[in-house]
Amino acid sequence: QKEVEQDPGPLSVPEGAIVSLNCTYSNSAFQYFMWYRQYSRKGPELLMYTYSSGNKEDGRFTAQVDKSSKYISLFIRDSQPSDSATYLCAMRNGGSQGNLIFGKGTKLSVKP
Amino acid sequence: DSGVTQTPKHLITATGQRVTLRCSPRSGDLSVYWYQQSLDQGLQFLIQYYNGEERAKGNILERFSAQQFPDLHSELNLSSLELGDSALYFCASSPSNSPLHFGNGTRLTVT
Repeated sequence: QKEVEQDPGPLSVPEGAIVSLNCTYSNSAFQYFMWYRQYSRKGPELLMYTYSSGNKEDGRFTAQVDKSSKYISLFIRDSQPSDSATYLCAMRNGGSQGNLIFGKGTKLSVKP
Repeated sequence: DSGVTQTPKHLITATGQRVTLRCSPRSGDLSVYWYQQSLDQGLQFLIQYYNGEERAKGNILERFSAQQFPDLHSELNLSSLELGDSALYFCASSPSNSPLHFGNGTRLTVT
């Protein structure tokens, strides 16, 4: 079983839709959870950063962490064509901040 | 723009060769991280340097090595290259205990 599982998609939605992206993980020691957005030919760009369980909102983006279920989600409201990208979840334990474990990414396409 | 600069953007080389990838971290960031991204493995952590010293190691092959210089820029050296080393190599930097910010990567093609 991989440490982090993420559906690769692709996921195609119409503009304005609510998008739900998810990851599951197996390591209960993970404490820090991140979502990165990666456009083609670019590096991953940090979207959301959360510690432990709970919700965090930033504009159209909401991140949820459920440690009891080992499940994290990213919701995008009022999706725009500019949101078309690959979304990567990442997580780590309380040790080295560099050793992030990434999901393989979900490719999202928002159609005008 | 994340502020992390990587050069070159593209590298094409032959099997058995050696290449050096360069990274300049964001101003003030003492930590530099190297990651490899391939289609089948996704993003994998290779190695971390903090203020010139190796801090953590991930799935880095013995043929690969890195260093961080006094001006905080870092180099990743890949030697005895194999076809399977073809991938995107990303550098990231961060201040202490903060999320990573990634550069736009170096695309390595080994023929």
